[in-house]
Amino acid sequence: GAGVSQTPSNKVTEKGKYVELRCDPISGHTALYWYRQSLGQGPEFLIYFQGTGAADDSGLPNDRFFAVRPEGSVSTLKIQRTERGDSAVYLCASSPRTGAGANVLTFGAGSRLTVL
Amino acid sequence: QKEVEQDPGPLSVPEGAIVSLNCTYSNSAFQYFMWYRQYSRKGPELLMYTYSSGNKEDGRFTAQVDKSSKYISLFIRDSQPSDSATYLCAMSLNTGGFKTIFGAGTRLFVKA
Repeated sequence: GAGVSQTPSNKVTEKGKYVELRCDPISGHTALYWYRQSLGQGPEFLIYFQGTGAADDSGLPNDRFFAVRPEGSVSTLKIQRTERGDSAVYLCASSPRTGAGANVLTFGAGSRLTVL
Repeated sequence: QKEVEQDPGPLSVPEGAIVSLNCTYSNSAFQYFMWYRQYSRKGPELLMYTYSSGNKEDGRFTAQVDKSSKYISLFIRDSQPSDSATYLCAMSLNTGGFKTIFGAGTRLFVKA
């Protein structure tokens, strides 16, 4: 697609529920990143995919968070047993794997998660 | 101590003013330095990109990197109300997948 697409744009859920957030990166971008942005803060790194594999998942806060990218394109961030502290905007970004601009991120508009 | 420190503001200036935004960082291995602009309820968008030390100019925007001081700056000349946004500094290493670390962002308001 022309840009990074994220769905849903807004998600309200209850504490303890399971949530899936989807990211469709720019066509041809092999690197995909998930970030979390809390109110008044900058994006916080969660996980980075190169192709289908998670190259760096050091930012995932705990084992309730998991992300997949089975075909090297669309990615899903999964949050189990949601807690109120998970409320934030979840941002997805993609970039080319190599060449100039390989580490320049193109972001989607984000998925705003509210846990009641 | 955070890897990247940025004053969150808010910073309020009159239209036409020169704006100076800056960040400090602790990891001397950072090689790539970026500034992103984020409007309300939107994702960040790249504004400036610099490799290593030096200056880069693009229209009304100038980015400066001083690696010896671990300090980066963004200058906006002739600021416009449309520049009102949050400005995020960001930086990444030369290896390891280019994981990018962001500052907290500075909220800028340009008054007409």
